[in-house]
Amino acid sequence: AQTVTQSQPEMSVQEAETVTLSCTYDTSESDYYLFWYKQPPSRQMILVIRQEAYKQQNATENRFSVNFQKAAKSFSLKISDSQLGDAAMYFCAYRGAQGGSEKLVFGKGTKLTVNP
Amino acid sequence: NAGVMQNPRHLVRRRGQEARLRCSPMKGHSHVYWYRQLPEEGLKFMVYLQKENIIDESGMPKERFSAEFPKEGPSILRIQQVVRGDSAAYFCASSLQPGQSNSPLHFGNGTRLTVT
Repeated sequence: AQTVTQSQPEMSVQEAETVTLSCTYDTSESDYYLFWYKQPPSRQMILVIRQEAYKQQNATENRFSVNFQKAAKSFSLKISDSQLGDAAMYFCAYRGAQGGSEKLVFGKGTKLTVNP
Repeated sequence: NAGVMQNPRHLVRRRGQEARLRCSPMKGHSHVYWYRQLPEEGLKFMVYLQKENIIDESGMPKERFSAEFPKEGPSILRIQQVVRGDSAAYFCASSLQPGQSNSPLHFGNGTRLTVT
C-alpha cells in the first residue's frame, strides 16, 4: 500500500521569506501523481500544485514550486515570498495513475505559521 | 458555477443516533468521493461513487457506515448508531473525469460531526 510521510508537524516562516515543506512517499507504481493541498482554518481543501511522475520538470505555480526527486521518492514544496495568507495546514497527497480513480493518499500535514 | 456543496457544516449527534451528511457535487460532475479527517490527521479515503453505483468502498468501516449517490439528488453518507470515535470532519469531493490529470478533484468545505 502507498504511504505518504510529512516529517514536519509544524513549521514557521517570516513574512517575505522562503520556506520548504518536506514530503516523502512509498510506492511500487511507476506512474502516479503528487499533490500539495492547503487547508486554512475555514477547512476548505485547496489544491496548491500537482506533479505528474513522468514529468522530470518540477511544477511551479506563482510563488509555489516543488522539488520532485523520483528516485528518492521525495516531493517537497517551496513557498517563496511568504505571505500571511499562506498560513494553513499543508497536506501532501499521492494518487496512482492506474484504475481511473481519484483515490488520494494523504500525509498527516504540516502546520505553517507565517510571522509578520 | 457553485462548487461542491456539503451540508450541514456542523452536526452534533448523541451516541446511538444516526448522522446523515449530504454532498452535492459540482455541476456536471458524476463522480463523488468521501474522505474522513480525524483530529490532527490527514484525510483518509472512504468511498468512491458514481451515479447509482458504489465503485470503491475499500475505506468504509464494515459496520454502521453506508453511502449512496442516487440518480437524482445529493450523495448521502450515513452513519448509524454513532459513537464518539466517529467525531471527525467528513469531506466530499467530486470530479468530472476520474484519473485524468487535467480533471482535478474539487473538495467541499466538509461537515464536522461531533458525537456527544
